[in-house]
Amino acid sequence: QSALTQPASVSGSPGRSITISCTGTSSDIGGYNFVSWYQHHPGKAPKLITYDVTKRPSGVSNRFSGSKSGNTASLTISGLQAEDEADYYCCSYETGRTWVFGGGTKLTVL
Amino acid sequence: EVQLVQSGAEVKKPGESLKISCKGSGYTFTNYWIGWVRQMPGKGLEWMAIIYPGDSDTRYSPSFQGQVTISADKSISTAYLQWSSLKASDTAMYYCARKPDGSNWFDPWGQGTLVTVSS
Repeated sequence: QSALTQPASVSGSPGRSITISCTGTSSDIGGYNFVSWYQHHPGKAPKLITYDVTKRPSGVSNRFSGSKSGNTASLTISGLQAEDEADYYCCSYETGRTWVFGGGTKLTVL
Repeated sequence: EVQLVQSGAEVKKPGESLKISCKGSGYTFTNYWIGWVRQMPGKGLEWMAIIYPGDSDTRYSPSFQGQVTISADKSISTAYLQWSSLKASDTAMYYCARKPDGSNWFDPWGQGTLVTVSS
């Protein structure tokens, strides 16, 4: 069980779009459509922003969207806003009936 | 409102035991899983273990199997994470999070419990 691979940091200007990748294996991301993404502002509880690859919980902005191709999942944030600046984590169900997180990506809004 | 409220920060010495808690409210506690997640200082989230309070079914990440024990008391809607002998490397923030049965996502999360282990 190894952590999923995410870029350590990404940045973008307000109003633009960014995409964060999350790479795993056929035993996790590639084998199941059970990827979720979490937004984590330091000092606060993590927040679910997408689940089952593409679904959004009620109340989450449609600026957040998830996708997957093969062993790589992605989170796209469009129309960047200052409050989007946070750490983002992917998570996938994996064979063995457990779950695994990505290493996290720090988003900076320039 | 669905809430998970965790116990307060702890400062312990190496070798001591510890049990931290996560109390659920606003929903039927026995119908949802409770997972535990570690965040070491300056590091990312790590999935540790999960329990289904309805029947105490548990699963552990191989990285944490044997290092911690999870349990739940459904009479008081509370899940626990415990250590029998803490190490300095257990210093971290620990979060609990709810998972609907049959799903693969965690929501909501508790506010976190900071555990500091230092001699």
